[in-house]
Formats: sequence, C-alpha cells, structure tokens
Amino acid sequence: EAQVTQNPRYLITVTGKKLTVTCSQNMNHEYMSWYRQDPGLGLRQIYYSMNVEVTDKGDVPEGYKVSRKEKRNFPLILESPSPNQTSLYFCASSLKGTVNTEAFFGQGTRLTVV
Amino acid sequence: DQQVKQNSPSLSVQEGRISILNCDYTNSMFDYFLWYKKYPAEGPTFLISISSIKDKNEDGRFTVFLNKSAKHLSLHIVPSQPGDSAVYFCAASASRGGSNYKLTFGKGTLLTVNP
Repeated sequence: EAQVTQNPRYLITVTGKKLTVTCSQNMNHEYMSWYRQDPGLGLRQIYYSMNVEVTDKGDVPEGYKVSRKEKRNFPLILESPSPNQTSLYFCASSLKGTVNTEAFFGQGTRLTVV
Repeated sequence: DQQVKQNSPSLSVQEGRISILNCDYTNSMFDYFLWYKKYPAEGPTFLISISSIKDKNEDGRFTVFLNKSAKHLSLHIVPSQPGDSAVYFCAASASRGGSNYKLTFGKGTLLTVNP
C-alpha cells in the first residue's frame, strides 16, 4: 500500500529536549516536505527536499532542521524545542516537485512542548 | 499576507443538497489549484485539481470551477453526503518563480453534512 508514515503520532516533550519526527514514504517520490498546521493559520511549509541531499527552507523554518540521506526518509529535527513549536505536523511527498503532481500526506504528529 | 483565502470557516448543508466551498487567491503566479479533504486524526487527502488553462474540472460528485479574472475558485459537491463532512483545504502552486513547487494552503473550511 502506497503511504507516507510518520512517527510518533503523538509526542509530549519538555522545552530544550532534542527530538526527531520520522517520515518515510514507499512510493519512490523525489519531493518531500514538512508542514505544520495551527488553528486559524492552515498548513504552512517548514522545509522541503527536491531529492536526496537537496533540502531548502519553506515559509517557517526557524527552529527546525531536516536531512535527506535516503530517498524514502525525511526526518524533522527540533534541536531545542520551544512551546511555540507545539503544533500538528504533516509530512508530504510527491512524485516530483512539479506543479501538477498531487502531494500525499502522512497521518500527522501532534507535538506538545511544555 | 495570506495568498490563499477561504473566508468561510464552516459550512453546514443538508444531505442531498449542493455544497459550495469558496477560495480566493491573490498571487497571480498561481497556475495550479488543488482541493484536499481532511478528516480528524488523519492527514489531508487529495480530492481534485485544476490547471489555470481550464475553467472547470469534474470528478464524480465533485466539480471545481476556476475564474482566473476574479482569482476565485469553488468546489461543488453534488449531492452532498454525510461522509463528506470534513475540513476542506484549498491549495495553490506556481510553476514559475523558483524550484520549490510548494503548495500554499488556505485556512480550511469545515463542512458538515446533516442527514
């Protein structure tokens, strides 16, 4: 089954404790990205990757890091989480980073930073 | 500055009637538009899309209309079913202006279809 898998689904952590949210896709997609969803703000892009070893900032990259060492994986790293990073996070992938390809989303990771 | 706007946070319709969800955009570079549906505790799923070279795209009960001059698009669901109850996100992307063909999302509209 074609899917984008995120882990964990839920996470409560404390300020400053480094964490990683994993994302994996089994569709051999080139393009992957991370979004956060906040009430009243919709979905905003954090980082994206056009292919292996190619990553770049989206609209709200501050406080986040990513890596793309393999095509299937695109982890989101919070080196020192803060309460304003409490949010619902979605990983997405698409075949190519071209305008007319749909994105497939993971089920989301609800992160709470206290 | 919000480039994709969904001005109705919620919409309630009766089963069997038409649901019309609206979306406005400000960036004239956008040339591809998508609608995503999101159920609670799930990720958004692709519903239907339209290229700027068209003004209508239909897929079963779902039709998207694009009015480029007004920078407006709408999603029509006919007939509406209770299972259509979800948050609907409008999204747009631009084929020019950079290598990141990212999706710019609206804030979403919660559709409730009452039996």
